[in-house]
Amino acid sequence: QVQLQESGPGLVKPSETLSLTCSVSGGSISSYYWSWIRQPPGKGLEWIGYIYNSGTTNSNPSLKSRVTISVDTSKNQFSLKLSSVTAADTAVYYCARDISTVTTVYWFDLWGQGTLVTVSS
Amino acid sequence: EIVMTQSPATLSVSPGERATLSCRASQSVSSDLAWYQRKPGQAPRLLMYAASTRATGVPARFSGSGSGTEFTLTISSLQSEDFALYYCQQYNNWIRTFGQGTKVEIK
Repeated sequence: QVQLQESGPGLVKPSETLSLTCSVSGGSISSYYWSWIRQPPGKGLEWIGYIYNSGTTNSNPSLKSRVTISVDTSKNQFSLKLSSVTAADTAVYYCARDISTVTTVYWFDLWGQGTLVTVSS
Repeated sequence: EIVMTQSPATLSVSPGERATLSCRASQSVSSDLAWYQRKPGQAPRLLMYAASTRATGVPARFSGSGSGTEFTLTISSLQSEDFALYYCQQYNNWIRTFGQGTKVEIK
């Protein structure tokens, strides 16, 4: 079955760029949207943004200016870059398969286990 | 942005009993609501979408109801594997938002 696994540094310095990769196994990354979602300690889940294999992206306006999401179909991976991070970006970051279409957003039917990223000097 | 509010924050229930979790939206989301379960160290699991449709493999003891701004997830007879965190999520607005979660713990 399809599985997702996040990877990347667990510690990032303030003002630097957070970079994470989600590897998709057991199925093709094509034909689906893929999202990043995060949960800061003690807070709720926040949708960060999504990408389609064509490169179409969209992101939460609260983070839009700092978010870059890309896809590498040859590696069956997609990635998140979040620039100019602060302590407020400390969170568990999840990747998820997004059942959205070009016209309508929907739910997330598969998730990775999540990875904790701490922003600290 | 649509704000989702879940209650209670923690629900203490004995195995075999019924659990009722609530989710409220700050404005109508029609039936565009999903529920997820999360256990420590595991990936979140989709339980329900369209407010009342069980995802593949989800036991029949889980049921969802509601529309507009008020939603309920009911677990009819709690099993040991059901003690977990539960989140609701709306997708009526393109900025998908989640509730803060309800922790279902053993009483």
